[in-house]
Amino acid sequence: TQLLEQSPQFLSIQEGENLTVYCNSSSVFSSLQWYRQEPGEGPVLLVTVVTGGEVKKLKRLTFQFGDARKDSSLHITAAQPGDTGLYLCAGASGAGSYQLTFGKGTKLSVIP
Amino acid sequence: EAQVTQNPRYLITVTGKKLTVTCSQNMNHEYMSWYRQDPGLGLRQIYYSMNVEVTDKGDVPEGYKVSRKEKRNFPLILESPSPNQTSLYFCASSPSVGYTQYFGPGTRLTVL
Repeated sequence: TQLLEQSPQFLSIQEGENLTVYCNSSSVFSSLQWYRQEPGEGPVLLVTVVTGGEVKKLKRLTFQFGDARKDSSLHITAAQPGDTGLYLCAGASGAGSYQLTFGKGTKLSVIP
Repeated sequence: EAQVTQNPRYLITVTGKKLTVTCSQNMNHEYMSWYRQDPGLGLRQIYYSMNVEVTDKGDVPEGYKVSRKEKRNFPLILESPSPNQTSLYFCASSPSVGYTQYFGPGTRLTVL
């Protein structure tokens, strides 16, 4: 079983601050996804990164896939209370394996 | 509206009483999956299905069964539930592995 380590596990910041969440593994993934989950709901996809070194931006969110496709980061600029939630990374191993491995998540609280 | 539905949303039962959690998607997706989410453990895959009559074990399949007789439905069966199966369960569907997974709203199961 491939493992994805997310850090930090919890993060509480003031509105307007910047933050970065990390997702690391010793395994190579064919693609990596970031999801956001709000209480009482299922995760919702934010972005998928496929190519090593790829950077994708979604408004104030910047996602990066490591060159070796073993790690990824999510950077939020000028966090807002609406960014509060559980952020999950998930890796697809591909190559005939159809399992998707999730990290344990980073619980973000943005304080007004 | 494209969606994944799960029923029931909440269930309290007793040890040993067989139960089924239904999952249905209306997006004609080939790939469907069941996860359980527990504090400190994150989302863990129970079973997945790549198409009708094709299912495979995920990371934590013990105590669960699934079937995929129709493309749209992927029920999760607990033949003899035990308290350690108390959890939040999510069904998800996707056009293919590595693509966006669409999650259902979740089923909160308590086994007494």
